[in-house]
Amino acid sequence: DIQMTQSPSSLSASVGDRVTITCRASQDIRNDLGWYQQKPGKAPKRLIYAASSLQSGVPSRFSGSGSGTEFTLTISSLQPEDFATYYCLQHNDYPWTFGQGTKVEIK
Amino acid sequence: EVQLVESGGGLVQPGGSLRLSCAASGLTFSSYWMSWLRQAPGKGLEWVANIKRDGSEEYYVDSVKGRFTISRDNAKNSLYLQMNSLRAEDTAVYYCATKYFEYWGQGTLVTVSS
Repeated sequence: DIQMTQSPSSLSASVGDRVTITCRASQDIRNDLGWYQQKPGKAPKRLIYAASSLQSGVPSRFSGSGSGTEFTLTISSLQPEDFATYYCLQHNDYPWTFGQGTKVEIK
Repeated sequence: EVQLVESGGGLVQPGGSLRLSCAASGLTFSSYWMSWLRQAPGKGLEWVANIKRDGSEEYYVDSVKGRFTISRDNAKNSLYLQMNSLRAEDTAVYYCATKYFEYWGQGTLVTVSS
């Protein structure tokens, strides 16, 4: 199975901060990676697909980069509505696997 | 507007069975691979199963193989998850979603407990 190692597991940040979350795959997954945001009690929402493509309707402050084994989600200027948990997902090979999640909290 | 609405969750004893349903609207259901995912209380997301557009291919996470079956009825725009031999560790909110998770349902809670 492909392991997705996501870091950090949590972070505290202020509104306006630049935030970076990283996912590392245990083997080459090309660009078969998505990023998802989940707020408490809600279904997740896709932010990024194919590692760097912005989902329609998602603010441009979100961006994704990387290919192969190293991937990054960046929030350029954190907004109050961005406090949530973020997950990466690889869909290169079965079983599809998520990272452990990164909880973004208010400093 | 795309809507995915899950139903069928509830409390079941260990070893029991449950069938989840997901009713889809606002999309050409037969054009989409579909997925089931789950999230145990306070835990992360776990992909459970995928099914091809015509139902001819199915994929499962190892922990549910032989116990869960994903199926679909394109005439009814519906996705299903038959869950047998349920265990305490299957307790979770179960979500249906389109294959790359661009659309999600609201989730249905399955609790396996005596």
